[in-house]
Amino acid sequence: GAVVSQHPSWVICKSGTSVKIECRSLDFQATTMFWYRQFPKQSLMLMATSNEGSKATYEQGVEKDKFLINHASLTLSTLTVTSAHPEDSSFYICSALTSTDTQYFGPGTRLTVL
Amino acid sequence: QKEVEQNSGPLSVPEGAIASLNCTYSDRGSQSFFWYRQYSGKSPELIMFIYSNGDKEDGRFTAQLNKASQYVSLLIRDSQPSDSATYLCAGDQTGANNLFFGTGTRLTVIP
Repeated sequence: GAVVSQHPSWVICKSGTSVKIECRSLDFQATTMFWYRQFPKQSLMLMATSNEGSKATYEQGVEKDKFLINHASLTLSTLTVTSAHPEDSSFYICSALTSTDTQYFGPGTRLTVL
Repeated sequence: QKEVEQNSGPLSVPEGAIASLNCTYSDRGSQSFFWYRQYSGKSPELIMFIYSNGDKEDGRFTAQLNKASQYVSLLIRDSQPSDSATYLCAGDQTGANNLFFGTGTRLTVIP
């Protein structure tokens, strides 16, 4: 299967700071990547769809000014959580779409905001 | 109505038994369906995908799709303790790239 990496795998930050998470497709090009958030014991929640070279499409209820997404190349998308607060603490997972329309997930980034 | 619904479980089966995981979907235009496995604290990993009506087998796993009934299932034969995880069913959305995920079914295989 295709390989997707995320960095960092975990991060702890103070309230009010910004955190950037990178998502890379290692062995394929992905014009489309997705960002999900998962709270404990809950299913994945799609936050936004990231398209290379264009603005991300955010799901209803997701603040685009708080969760900044940049998809500057065919192998890299970044999610920046701006002015993070404790309620933003979650497991953030990206996925990349292959040319056969199959999503492969990155290993996830666990964010803890103190 | 949720686009994809799964039995939330939990489901427990003895080692060596067949585990049956079920999923229904509401979007008749959905074409592709995926089963992901998620271990606690980890991200989902793709097990199988299925596009056509009928069965698709891969090792111990068999996915079944019935578009008329809008029903997708995953059978795990000879279940192993290492199969213990949450299984997520996902279907694509008409006219879009993203998937609708079910809430997942927690499976425990008892040694």
